[in-house]
Amino acid sequence: DSGVTQTPKHLITATGQRVTLRCSPRSGDLSVYWYQQSLDQGLQFLIHYYNGEERAKGNILERFSAQQFPDLHSELNLSSLELGDSALYFCASSERGGLADTQYFGPGTRLTVL
Amino acid sequence: TQLLEQSPQFLSIQEGENLTVYCNSSSVFSSLQWYRQEPGEGPVLLVTVVTGGEVKKLKRLTFQFGDARKDSSLHITAAQPGDTGLYLCAGARRSQGNLIFGKGTKLSVKP
Repeated sequence: DSGVTQTPKHLITATGQRVTLRCSPRSGDLSVYWYQQSLDQGLQFLIHYYNGEERAKGNILERFSAQQFPDLHSELNLSSLELGDSALYFCASSERGGLADTQYFGPGTRLTVL
Repeated sequence: TQLLEQSPQFLSIQEGENLTVYCNSSSVFSSLQWYRQEPGEGPVLLVTVVTGGEVKKLKRLTFQFGDARKDSSLHITAAQPGDTGLYLCAGARRSQGNLIFGKGTKLSVKP
């Protein structure tokens, strides 16, 4: 158990819909990262928040957005969903957010878009 | 274009065999990490290597960072079924604020 929690574990929805994925970091960790994992692309970095502020952005679509709240939990919002958005979405947390920090991954949310 | 290429993509071996998986790039990384991911779970960090030529050992696992810090290898001695999983390498570059992951090597060790 990494100490990072993600909800829900599974999500099935239809094209065009909007969903929200939630992540609670390990106690004491200030950084939260979001990743998308698919069979063809592997694990892709989406976005990084540190203590409520956006720190780095990766290959995140404009239809996707995220935020980190004062209590440090984070949400990833996916809208106008397409079939290709079906993937595993992971959240990770680290103490400060430096590249040398260990990132602890949650169990993931499996999103299926029908 | 994948910045970090891992090979082989799939590997199926018998218990007790040795194996090596590779992580290659044309780019230089300030550090490189190896993760193992089991089905239904997130990746778990195994090791971080930061110095060119560095070798780190974790029980039966040996990790090496290339002299030029562009590649890395993971060698497993006497593989066991518990080693089964997806092995991911991830590189860090100071010019980018995030880790770059390879697509992974899926290892299956049969008893």
